[in-house]
Amino acid sequence: QVQLLQSAAEVKKPGASVKVSCKASGYNFRDRAISWVRQAPGQGLEWMGWLSAYNGGTSYAQNFQDRVNFTRDISTSTAYMELRSLSIDDTAVYYCARGSYFDTWGQGTPVTVSS
Amino acid sequence: AIWMTQSPSLVSASTGDTVTISCRSSQDIITSLAWYRQKPGRAPELLISAASTLFSGVSSRFSGSGSGTDFTLTISGLQSEDFATYFCQQYYSFPWTFGQGTTVDIK
Repeated sequence: QVQLLQSAAEVKKPGASVKVSCKASGYNFRDRAISWVRQAPGQGLEWMGWLSAYNGGTSYAQNFQDRVNFTRDISTSTAYMELRSLSIDDTAVYYCARGSYFDTWGQGTPVTVSS
Repeated sequence: AIWMTQSPSLVSASTGDTVTISCRSSQDIITSLAWYRQKPGRAPELLISAASTLFSGVSSRFSGSGSGTDFTLTISGLQSEDFATYFCQQYYSFPWTFGQGTTVDIK
């Protein structure tokens, strides 16, 4: 079945970077885009941006544009999200999700930013 | 950016009740709207796409309607697993945006 499997939880210090992976299985990876969505504790869902798995094209939300980078590795059907210059406010669960309406979600990767 | 506004933020209901959640967009999004349910500690799950198309495997007690700027999610015959938070999302134009969420809790 279609599945997105994310990397494990991370703990980072302010100013550091984090890179989260999202490995797809059960479908042709290049057929569907991947979005990244985050959810701060007790808060709603925030779309971070979109990655074309077909050609690597990206679109980033303005809030993240200067410090986020989405990439993918076709050979392993894996998408990556790197977020730089972390602050306490970046503490959240980060999800990858498939498509334009998100029919499949990863299990989430908790990222804690703490000094 | 297109703003998505859900109402109410919280609704208290009992098992078997019918609940209606509203989602309004700040611009015409035709029918490019999805609804999700999120249980505590879990990833969201797709319920409805294209405003009214039930996702495969989702119970028929969920239904969606609307077009343009006004949309509705109706849950008929609430079950225990439906006490959760619901989000709408527009995918008409970048940046894609979510409503702030509606929590359905037990009365």
